[in-house]
Amino acid sequence: DAKTTQPPSMDCAEGRAANLPCNHSTISGNEYVYWYRQIHSQGPQYIIHGLKNNETNEMASLIITEDRKSSTLILPHATLRDTAVYYCIVRGIQGAQKLVFGQGTRLTINP
Amino acid sequence: NAGVTQTPKFQVLKTGQSMTLQCAQDMNHEYMSWYRQDPGMGLRLIHYSVGAGITDQGEVPNGYNVSRSTTEDFPLRLLSAAPSQTSVYFCASSYSGRGGLGYTFGSGTRLTVV
Repeated sequence: DAKTTQPPSMDCAEGRAANLPCNHSTISGNEYVYWYRQIHSQGPQYIIHGLKNNETNEMASLIITEDRKSSTLILPHATLRDTAVYYCIVRGIQGAQKLVFGQGTRLTINP
Repeated sequence: NAGVTQTPKFQVLKTGQSMTLQCAQDMNHEYMSWYRQDPGMGLRLIHYSVGAGITDQGEVPNGYNVSRSTTEDFPLRLLSAAPSQTSVYFCASSYSGRGGLGYTFGSGTRLTVV
């Protein structure tokens, strides 16, 4: 599975959009980009995933660049409850049964 | 629909004791995995399974055994507990479809080995 690079920490004001970047320059054509988050001491929570097209659900939007080498997770109106560690994971079909977590980005939403 | 259920939530073991961490899911997911998370660290994969009767090792399998006799259950056995196994253990399950939806994680078992 392709390696990902994320900033270790970010801050965002409550009510603003939080944009979390992820670089995955070695991604291959059949690998998906997944985002999870882990709120303090809880199990990770699936947020969204995509292959090449931008995706949106009730939690967030995922923007994948045309060359697929990077992506951005967007939380449109961040709340204090969005404070968490966010993990970007690239996962191929062959390795779909395994998730390999990096260190993620610690996002702090400030009042 | 309970999702992924882990028991117990907390456990204290003495060095050398054995125990089984239980994990059950009611979503008919083919994939199941066990992770451990040490304080301030990311999650590391211990063992995983792609279906009943099939298991494989992850990044840190030493000291742990698993089996998958049914689709629903994926217990993790600590053979002889060591202080280095003090950690939070998460079980997760997933549909195996192409791309698939994400993994659903349990709430964790907090294990202390003294």
